[in-house]
Amino acid sequence: DAGITQSPRHKVTETGTPVTLRCHQTENHRYMYWYRQDPGHGLRLIHYSYGVKDTDKGEVSDGYSVSRSKTEDFLLTLESATSSQTSVYFCAIGRLGSYEQYFGPGTRLTVT
Amino acid sequence: TQLLEQSPQFLSIQEGENLTVYCNSSSVFSSLQWYRQEPGEGPVLLVTVVTGGEVKKLKRLTFQFGDARKDSSLHITAAQPGDTGLYLCAGENTGTASKLTFGTGTRLQVTL
Repeated sequence: DAGITQSPRHKVTETGTPVTLRCHQTENHRYMYWYRQDPGHGLRLIHYSYGVKDTDKGEVSDGYSVSRSKTEDFLLTLESATSSQTSVYFCAIGRLGSYEQYFGPGTRLTVT
Repeated sequence: TQLLEQSPQFLSIQEGENLTVYCNSSSVFSSLQWYRQEPGEGPVLLVTVVTGGEVKKLKRLTFQFGDARKDSSLHITAAQPGDTGLYLCAGENTGTASKLTFGTGTRLQVTL
C-alpha cells in the first residue's frame, strides 16, 4: 500500500468555522491531489500540487485553499465551512510521468 | 470539459453471474484507468489501459479500451462477494499535471 495518511478521519464542525485537513505521504511522489466525493458526482478535483509551493485549482475549488510547504504534506483549508462542503475528502498522490494515482483513506467532514 | 459516463449506476447480482460495466465519453483519452473502492476506503487502482483496442486481464476481470480510445469496459466472470464495491473509471487529461477525470461510478453488489 502507498504510504498516505489523512487526518482527521472524521470531523464535525459548525458553519462558518475554519477547517484544515492534512494529507501526509511517505512515497516522495511529486503530485498531490485533493478530491471530494459526493453521491451522484463521483470524485471531483478540488486542488492539486505539482511540487513544493506549486499548486493549482481543480474543477470545484471555490471555498477551498491549499498549501504545500514540504514534499510530504498537502493541506486543504476551508476558510469558512458551509453545509455544501459536507463530503468525503480524499487525498491522492502520483509520480512524475505517470497518471496512476494512489489514494488515502479519506476524511468524512460534516458541516452542521 | 471531458466527461466520463458509467453504466449501469447500480448492479446487484448473485454469486457466479457474469457482468459488464461500461465507461463512455465523447472525448479521446490517452489512457484510462479502473479503480475499485470499498466502503470507508479510498479507491484502489486495478489497471491502466493505454492502447486503443487493448485488452488486459486480471484474474476474473477483463478490461478493454475502445479502438478510438473514447470508451472502456470491465467484464467480471463468475462474480464473487469479494467483488462488491464501487468501480470507477478515470481518463487521463493529457498534458495537465497528471490530472484525471473520473467517471460517476458503478456500484456493484454480489450476494450469495
